[in-house]
This record gives sequence, C-alpha cells and structure tokens, in this order.
Amino acid sequence: QQPVQSPQAVILREGEDAVINCSSSKALYSVHWYRQKHGEAPVFLMILLKGGEQKGHDKISASFNEKKQQSSLYLTASQLSYSGTYFCGTEYVDDMRFGAGTRLTVKP
Amino acid sequence: EPEVTQTPSHQVTQMGQEVILRCVPISNHLYFYWYRQILGQKVEFLVSFYNNEISEKSEIFDDQFSVERPDGSNFTLKIRSTKLEDSAMYFCASRRLAGGIGELFFGEGSRLTVL
Repeated sequence: QQPVQSPQAVILREGEDAVINCSSSKALYSVHWYRQKHGEAPVFLMILLKGGEQKGHDKISASFNEKKQQSSLYLTASQLSYSGTYFCGTEYVDDMRFGAGTRLTVKP
Repeated sequence: EPEVTQTPSHQVTQMGQEVILRCVPISNHLYFYWYRQILGQKVEFLVSFYNNEISEKSEIFDDQFSVERPDGSNFTLKIRSTKLEDSAMYFCASRRLAGGIGELFFGEGSRLTVL
C-alpha cells in the first residue's frame, strides 16, 4: 500500500520555503525521499529511519514522526534547481512503494 | 561513479509482441527492482528480486511479466504479449542493502510505446 502525499503541487518564488507531507496507514520503519526532474530518473535525497535524527541535504531537510506515521520534507530558501517532482517511498517487505508525488515549481 | 544502465532507451512495438527490457545493476548491489511510470503519473512498483528469486511483486506484475537474471550482470524484464496500456517508462533500480535502509539507484529508463 503506497503512502499518501500532499500537496499535489506547489509553486514558489526563489527563496521561498515549502513543506511536503507523506503519511502511511501502516507502521513505518523508514521513509525515503526522491526527486525526479522532468524526463529523468528519480534520484535519492535521504532516508529517515525510525528512532533516527532529522536528516538534512543542503537546504532540504526532513523529519519523521513515528507515532503519526508521517514524514515531512522541508525545502528552505528554494532555488530554481529544486524544481521537480518529489516522491516519498515506504516499504514493508522489499517492495518500496512511492506516493503520487508533489510537483514543485520554483520561479525566478 | 557506478550507475545502473538500461537498454533500449526507447522501444516501439506492436500490440501482442514480446518485449525484453535489459538492465545492468551496479556491480556490488544485491537487490534489483523494476518500476513503471505511465506518462505524468506516479512511479509504480512492479517487482523486487534477490538471490535469483522474486522477493515481492505488485498486482500489476501478472502472468504477462517475468524477470530473469540470465548471467552475473544483466537483469531483464519480459512482457510476453504487450497491450496498449503497457506503454510507459520502465525503470530498473538496484541497491546494496534492503530492509528499508538502502537507497535505490535508478537507471535512466526504457520508454516502451505499444501501437
């Protein structure tokens, strides 16, 4: 069963912040985040593990609330290069499934 | 930097024809995957493969699909009798660790067009 992402799309100006949410109806051990640029393959951003710390990658960070079975991806001071579709992924038995994706557009 | 490679990059086929998509995972990776992405839609899990066996498969992965690791390097996805709705981008992925802790490395994809 795949996770649920929100929002479906976000439009930002350069320098603005965004939050993308990911939730699951099942207990999670980990959450993965990937970014896919148009016409390209998904690229790994970070993994959040149960009991682990909040992760960061440049100005992109994420948190994992195990009790609520939710993860959030935070993009601060967005850059044009952040544009793309962001997917969260969860798995239970070697079957990583992705949410429907959040399309992020950063405009100058 | 090691990468997952896929061939062909684009294949056009007639409905009912068999198609084989090929992937060369990163050499020290043990877990292999196929995903499908219909244009503009989400990335859908098809199948995972470890130790020469299917680990998990989704409801999409029916009898028309099969996977194989014919030698030490290639990992293939076969669609026996293609349908129009099989038109999609197919991504191969691999990773060294599973259990939720290994990042997936994706190939550039094979675009399949069924006419």
